[in-house]
Amino acid sequence: NAGVTQTPKFQVLKTGQSMTLQCAQDMNHEYMSWYRQDPGMGLRLIHYSVGAGITDQGEVPNGYNVSRSTTEDFPLRLLSAAPSQTSVYFCASSPPRGSAEAFFGQGTRLTVV
Amino acid sequence: DQQVKQNSPSLSVQEGRISILNCDYTNSMFDYFLWYKKYPAEGPTFLISISSIKDKNEDGRFTVFLNKSAKHLSLHIVPSQPGDSAVYFCAASGSFNNDMRFGAGTRLTVKP
Repeated sequence: NAGVTQTPKFQVLKTGQSMTLQCAQDMNHEYMSWYRQDPGMGLRLIHYSVGAGITDQGEVPNGYNVSRSTTEDFPLRLLSAAPSQTSVYFCASSPPRGSAEAFFGQGTRLTVV
Repeated sequence: DQQVKQNSPSLSVQEGRISILNCDYTNSMFDYFLWYKKYPAEGPTFLISISSIKDKNEDGRFTVFLNKSAKHLSLHIVPSQPGDSAVYFCAASGSFNNDMRFGAGTRLTVKP
């Protein structure tokens, strides 16, 4: 049982490049989300999805795009990378109720130069 | 506007003593609160939670207290162990959505 798998673990991008961070879960969770972690800011919600075909914005959605075509996968796309997007990104999944704890992936450390 | 605040960036305690980590929230719609533990280069892992209908929840060495009137919760670790050294995040959500908001985290160091 792999849980939540994120790829890649590390990535360096040049300003203006685009890329997709991959996230997959094998727990059949309906809810998936993306967070970014920055020093002194904790984890901030970027986008989330309550099920296949349904996505919504979180606290800091600008510059990111998501889609949810299957229950298992929830990729995060950076459309045109900026240095302000240098961060550690975490994907999480949980059962569909507000009282459910989230399971996190190991994170992707992204540097934009 | 941070809806969940952890005002202590760091805490250092001696092994065997109590660690108390604090968290405040501003959104009265939150009614489920969680604590996550994070080691370097790993994702956060769930530690303990509490529903707003309770004021205390215990799990072994870990106890979470909730004071709804003060919009404050705390995590007590007794006795503290060196393996507890990590960053602890407080999180909050509503009953009918999974939109979880996190505090900035408190780095706990337990000295042998």
